[in-house]
Amino acid sequence: EAQVTQNPRYLITVTGKKLTVTCSQNMNHEYMSWYRQDPGLGLRQIYYSMNVEVTDKGDVPEGYKVSRKEKRNFPLILESPSPNQTSLYFCASRFGPVGEQYFGPGTRLTVT
Amino acid sequence: ILNVEQSPQSLHVQEGDSTNFTCSFPSSNFYALHWYRWETAKSPEALFVMTLNGDEKKKGRISATLNTKEGYSYLYIKGSQPEDSATYLCASLNSNSGYALNFGKGTSLLVTP
Repeated sequence: EAQVTQNPRYLITVTGKKLTVTCSQNMNHEYMSWYRQDPGLGLRQIYYSMNVEVTDKGDVPEGYKVSRKEKRNFPLILESPSPNQTSLYFCASRFGPVGEQYFGPGTRLTVT
Repeated sequence: ILNVEQSPQSLHVQEGDSTNFTCSFPSSNFYALHWYRWETAKSPEALFVMTLNGDEKKKGRISATLNTKEGYSYLYIKGSQPEDSATYLCASLNSNSGYALNFGKGTSLLVTP
């Protein structure tokens, strides 16, 4: 089954404790993205990648890092999480610039 | 940041009503326009991807049109059903933004029986 998977689905952590949210897709998609969704603000792009070793900042990259060492994986790293990073995070992938985008199930992160 | 605007912000209709929403996007360096449907507690799912001026796409009772010269797209739902209740997102892809998809804030549709 074609899918985008994210782990963990839910996470409660404390300020400053490094964490990684994994994202994997099995569709051989070139493009992968991370978004955060906050009430009233819609989906905002954090980082995106057009292929292996090619990443670029989205609209809200501060406090986040990504890597794309393999085509299928695109982890999101929070080196020192802060409470303002409490949000719902979505990973997504698509095949090429105009391909339909497939979203993962979401990761709800709470930073206390 | 490319400005993608959607209106109305929310909409409440009765079952059987037809409805439509608007998405406006930057027309310069336009590449593609995406529509997604997002049900509560689920992930967004693709409805349409349109690239050409004048494009019209249809999936069941839902259809969309695209005007790239003036930078807008309409999404139509004919004979709304309660299961159509969701947030409808549009996203613009422009070549001068590195092919990143820029989403609007969505139109929240509630269809009551």
